[in-house]
Amino acid sequence: NAGVTQTPKFRVLKTGQSMTLLCAQDMNHEYMYWYRQDPGMGLRLIHYSVGEGTTAKGEVPDGYNVSRLKKQNFLLGLESAAPSQTSVYFCASHRNYGYTFGSGTRLTVV
Amino acid sequence: DAKTTQPNSMESNEEEPVHLPCNHSTISGTDYIHWYRQLPSQGPEYVIHGLTSNVNNRMASLAIAEDRKSSTLILHRATLRDAAVYYCILSFNAGGTSYGKLTFGQGTILTVHP
Repeated sequence: NAGVTQTPKFRVLKTGQSMTLLCAQDMNHEYMYWYRQDPGMGLRLIHYSVGEGTTAKGEVPDGYNVSRLKKQNFLLGLESAAPSQTSVYFCASHRNYGYTFGSGTRLTVV
Repeated sequence: DAKTTQPNSMESNEEEPVHLPCNHSTISGTDYIHWYRQLPSQGPEYVIHGLTSNVNNRMASLAIAEDRKSSTLILHRATLRDAAVYYCILSFNAGGTSYGKLTFGQGTILTVHP
């Protein structure tokens, strides 16, 4: 039982490049979330999903897109990366109480 | 979403109890109180949650004021591994499904001295 797995763990992008962050959970959880965390700050919600095939915007959705084609996977896409998107990205999932978070993806945009 | 207020930092000695306070004066009747912690370079970790009654689990205890405007996370015997940022979060849970977006504040940085 791996919990929540994020891929990749580290990535450096050039401004304007695109990439997809993958979040996979093996706990059959309905709800999945993408957060970003900037230095010295709490986590901010980017997008979330309440079930397969559904997505919704969170607090800071601009510049990101998401997809939930399979229940176990939640993808976060950056179409044209900007330096302001340099951050640590966390994925989380839950069904009942107690969110399970991944270990994060550290993204640097230069 | 109702907001929470926590001290920026607290310190404790190893093997002593730690009481981490949280104020949430605008809490609504349907808001659950959640606590998460984040160890350095890791994702947040669920600690405990409650609605009205005090709660205990293997990690900690949660004491909720009678008017629910404040709560306290209690670590009974702090260890060096408890050094982390502790977040107090309110979340609306609808229809018993426990769906709710977590809104993280700045949290309390707990330092544990050997």
